[in-house]
Amino acid sequence: AQSVAQPEDQVNVAEGNPLTVKCTYSVSGNPYLFWYVQYPNRGLQFLLKYITGDNLVKGSYGFEAEFNKSQTSFHLKKPSALVSDSALYFCAVSVSGGYQKVTFGTGTKLQVIP
Amino acid sequence: EADIYQTPRYLVIGTGKKITLECSQTMGHDKMYWYQQDPGMELHLIHYSYGVNSTEKGDLSSESTVSRIRTEHFPLTLESARPSHTSQYLCASSKGGGDNSPLHFGNGTRLTVT
Repeated sequence: AQSVAQPEDQVNVAEGNPLTVKCTYSVSGNPYLFWYVQYPNRGLQFLLKYITGDNLVKGSYGFEAEFNKSQTSFHLKKPSALVSDSALYFCAVSVSGGYQKVTFGTGTKLQVIP
Repeated sequence: EADIYQTPRYLVIGTGKKITLECSQTMGHDKMYWYQQDPGMELHLIHYSYGVNSTEKGDLSSESTVSRIRTEHFPLTLESARPSHTSQYLCASSKGGGDNSPLHFGNGTRLTVT
């Protein structure tokens, strides 16, 4: 069985500071990892994904994520937070070689304080 | 801008009524999904489809049913709505043929059953 953990329900960061939203995963096989963002009253929007190759993945809106196989982590990062980054962030995993079963984490609310 | 459309956006309905939540996508995606998002933000897969005439139940038991008669259309039906069905319902789609395609989400239907 595959699973995703987002250990923080909420992350608060001051505008202009770097932000990190944590994600760890558990799968049998090679993982595909994703980050999505959800703004109020909207569906989820794809931010970035890791398939293979470079462990640092760059995505939309200046976000990036680092894949760490030994720690089974895929933390989302941004060098300088904006107030407009305040939203819900979901980490997700699927496994190569099978049908696309996507497992989502429970979500982390990011609050960027002006 | 979303290429996957859900209607209605908001629905308030009485117990026992039959309802259908509409979902359509214009991207020609083979795979489509319905997720239920509870107030704690967590996403639960309730139905998915790999293509026309293909439907499967997801991880969360649901009293709803789905159909996939056309590639672009994946409606969800509740034969008899109950207060426990109150939730946000998100429809998503992805390209077929691989496990690493990101999901494209609609903006959701927020259902309230009184």
